[in-house]
Amino acid sequence: ETGVTQTPRHLVMGMTNKKSLKCEQHLGHNAMYWYKQSAKKPLELMFVYSLEERVENNSVPSRFSPECPNSSHLFLHLHTLQPEDSALYLCASSQGDGELFFGEGSRLTVL
Amino acid sequence: AQRVTQPEKLLSVFKGAPVELKCNYSYSGSPELFWYVQYSRQRLQLLLRHISRESIKGFTADLNKGETSFHLKKPFAQEEDSAMYYCALSGFRGSQGNLIFGKGTKLSVKP
Repeated sequence: ETGVTQTPRHLVMGMTNKKSLKCEQHLGHNAMYWYKQSAKKPLELMFVYSLEERVENNSVPSRFSPECPNSSHLFLHLHTLQPEDSALYLCASSQGDGELFFGEGSRLTVL
Repeated sequence: AQRVTQPEKLLSVFKGAPVELKCNYSYSGSPELFWYVQYSRQRLQLLLRHISRESIKGFTADLNKGETSFHLKKPFAQEEDSAMYYCALSGFRGSQGNLIFGKGTKLSVKP
């Protein structure tokens, strides 16, 4: 499969659960991103990995923990989330030139 | 602070009418600006960027540094242009592709 693939597409979890979002890119890009899209708010950049090193962490709470084991895979580990964390989480990849290739997103609901 | 403002949440026009989606930005350096589009049931994708000075699907956007604007224009709107449009600014790590997005404008083109 080509492009950027995110799993799961939908996730419902309780506040005490631990879950992970997965992103995979088959474009040969060297940078990967997590964005959060909430209702009535703009897309918020959460984390950036370039060449598997985290280069950006925009004051994201520690209950979100990213992992980038290689240039094709990116995870977002979720632990003790709050209801306000319910949102669409978008993964993207890039060759670092400003053009982001987005996945379809993982819709997260925290009960 | 870096910021992107899209003042219109919704813009509705008739087919064949001109359309202009407004975008203003706040940035102290030399900005790179982009327009991204999300059609119904599709993922977010790049429409155009100011440095390429291209016309994509009939859309153009000119960077006006004096007015700190990057409005998206099309002389004759088509029904298939109906979508969410996001203006984005590349931050100081422009080479990393880190983008700051506006809240988006929903364009509705009526027959």
